[in-house]
Amino acid sequence: DIQMTQSPSSLSASVGDRVTITCQASQHIARYLSWYQQKPGQAPKLLIYDASKLETGVPSRFSGSGSGTDFTFTISGLQPEDVATYYCQQYDNVPLYTFGLGTKLEIK
Amino acid sequence: QITLKESGPTLVKPTQTLTLTCSFSGFSLESSGAGVGWVRQPPGKALEWLALIYWDDDKRYRPSLKNRLTISKDTSRNQVVLSMTNVAPVDTGTYYCARRRTGIDYFDYWGPGTLVTVSS
Repeated sequence: DIQMTQSPSSLSASVGDRVTITCQASQHIARYLSWYQQKPGQAPKLLIYDASKLETGVPSRFSGSGSGTDFTFTISGLQPEDVATYYCQQYDNVPLYTFGLGTKLEIK
Repeated sequence: QITLKESGPTLVKPTQTLTLTCSFSGFSLESSGAGVGWVRQPPGKALEWLALIYWDDDKRYRPSLKNRLTISKDTSRNQVVLSMTNVAPVDTGTYYCARRRTGIDYFDYWGPGTLVTVSS
């Protein structure tokens, strides 16, 4: 099974900050990685797919990069509504989809 | 507009069988490349993929739960059903159904989820 190591597990940042979350796959997954945002009490929402492609309707302050085993998710200019838990998910080894353990983002 | 919604019992006793239904609209599970999956989330924990059914009735399961899960579809009613046998308290959590993006293996639309508690 492919393991996804996501870090940090939590972070606190100020409005306007640049926030970075990383996700490392235990084996090569090319660019088959997506990022989801889950606000409290809500279902996950797709933000990024294929490592760097922005889902339609998602604000451009969200971005993703990486390939192979190392991936980065960035929020450029944190907004109060970005408070959520963020998950990465690999879909190279389908259908055994694997999610990271999540990063809980809070506002300072 | 694509929507999905889960339904089923909120409380199940240990050893019983849990049956959840995903009712969806705005897409067809008869279309080539379509798929619907189930993902669960124990309280305060991460997401865990459980099962997925494809348009051609191919079915895939999480290996560690394969013996306990059954996924099926009713295309005439736009529903996908997940059954889990011999439930235990560790199966408590929110269960989501989600649409696999056509031909690509990530989930682009999710239902709101349904909380299932396993307790005697």
